[in-house]
Amino acid sequence: DTGVSQDPRHKITKRGQNVTFRCDPISEHNRLYWYRQTLGQGPEFLTYFQNEAQLEKSRLLSDRFSAERPKGSFSTLEIQRTEQGDSAMYLCAGGDGNEKLFFGSGTQLSVL
Amino acid sequence: GESVGLHLPTLSVQEGDNSIINCAYSNSASDYFIWYKQESGKGPQFIIDIRSNMDKRQGQRVTVLLNKTVKHLSLQIAATQPGDSAVYFCAETRSQESTFGDGTTLTVKP
Repeated sequence: DTGVSQDPRHKITKRGQNVTFRCDPISEHNRLYWYRQTLGQGPEFLTYFQNEAQLEKSRLLSDRFSAERPKGSFSTLEIQRTEQGDSAMYLCAGGDGNEKLFFGSGTQLSVL
Repeated sequence: GESVGLHLPTLSVQEGDNSIINCAYSNSASDYFIWYKQESGKGPQFIIDIRSNMDKRQGQRVTVLLNKTVKHLSLQIAATQPGDSAVYFCAETRSQESTFGDGTTLTVKP
């Protein structure tokens, strides 16, 4: 158990709706990462935070996606106007300064 | 020429045998590599890592080999057990961004 928790574990939504996911890393994780994983593929980098600062965003992160880490602890990932192509597992990972990632169990999003 | 292990999407081995999982990476500037294990319904879990200034690193029952010349990484699992059944991913890291390879699904037959 990495200590990284994600909520909810599963989310089913209709196309066009907004969804928000939450990630709670452990206190030692000054870095927090969001990845997306589709079936049969490896995780794809979306964005990462150093404390509360969002330092890098992938080109995969369209303007419908926004991530925050307001107090440098938990983080939220919001997807607006969801599309069927957004269906995936959204993984959060904590990091403590080296590049090793400690993943949560993810939020499985299904857009109908 | 040198033989490079092919990446296979699936690998099936008998319990007790050794397993070798291969991975090719793309960025010659990557300086840190990690193998992750992902079980169904869970996020990837760290197994072993290696820096680019090394060519071999051993853990408990696992060994990672790095060949920078051909940009190839392999994971060796000794005495494979049913609990090793999972999807295995290699990841190359540079500047805090990890790029994951195609996974290999390992099935261990009892």
